[in-house]
Amino acid sequence: DSGVTQTPKHLITATGQRVTLRCSPRSGDLSVYWYQQSLDQGLQFLIQYYNGEERAKGNILERFSAQQFPDLHSELNLSSLELGDSALYFCASSPSGSDEQYFGPGTRLTVT
Amino acid sequence: AQSVTQPDIHITVSEGASLELRCNYSYGATPYLFWYVQSPGQGLQLLLKYFSGDTLVQGIKGFEAEFKRSQSSFNLRKPSVHWSDAAEYFCAVVRATSGTYKYIFGTGTRLKVLA
Repeated sequence: DSGVTQTPKHLITATGQRVTLRCSPRSGDLSVYWYQQSLDQGLQFLIQYYNGEERAKGNILERFSAQQFPDLHSELNLSSLELGDSALYFCASSPSGSDEQYFGPGTRLTVT
Repeated sequence: AQSVTQPDIHITVSEGASLELRCNYSYGATPYLFWYVQSPGQGLQLLLKYFSGDTLVQGIKGFEAEFKRSQSSFNLRKPSVHWSDAAEYFCAVVRATSGTYKYIFGTGTRLKVLA
């Protein structure tokens, strides 16, 4: 158990819909990272937040957005969902100044 | 651009046999290199990392990896594989810029262990 929690574990929704994935980092970790893992693209970095501010952006679509709240939990919002958005979405956290990331168990999103 | 290549998509070994998973990276400076393991239905767990110093690093679960700058490689090894090692293994290079660490993962190697 990494100490990072993600909810929900599974999500099934239809194309065109919008969903919100939630992540609670390990206690004391200020950085939160979001990743998408799909069969064809592998594990792709989406976005990083540090203490409430966006710090780095990866291959994140414009239909996706994220935020980190004052209590440091983070949400990833996916809108206008397409079949290709079906994937595992991981959140990871790391302590300030550390290069180690601790991954949550992931949310499996299925778009039908 | 930084990249990570794991040339073997699948590897099958017998329990008790030795294991080597290959990882090649492309990076302009001294890289931070990591190996993660992902068991079915689980998140990624850090096995080991290399930043500097001794090029042979020891990790958890009996794994080790050797950094070879001349070959741009960071191969993962284990002398004797256990059935519980069956999982997917990811190599990652980390780019550190302005206090943030951006991970670039390889495509993974799925390990199957035969009893």
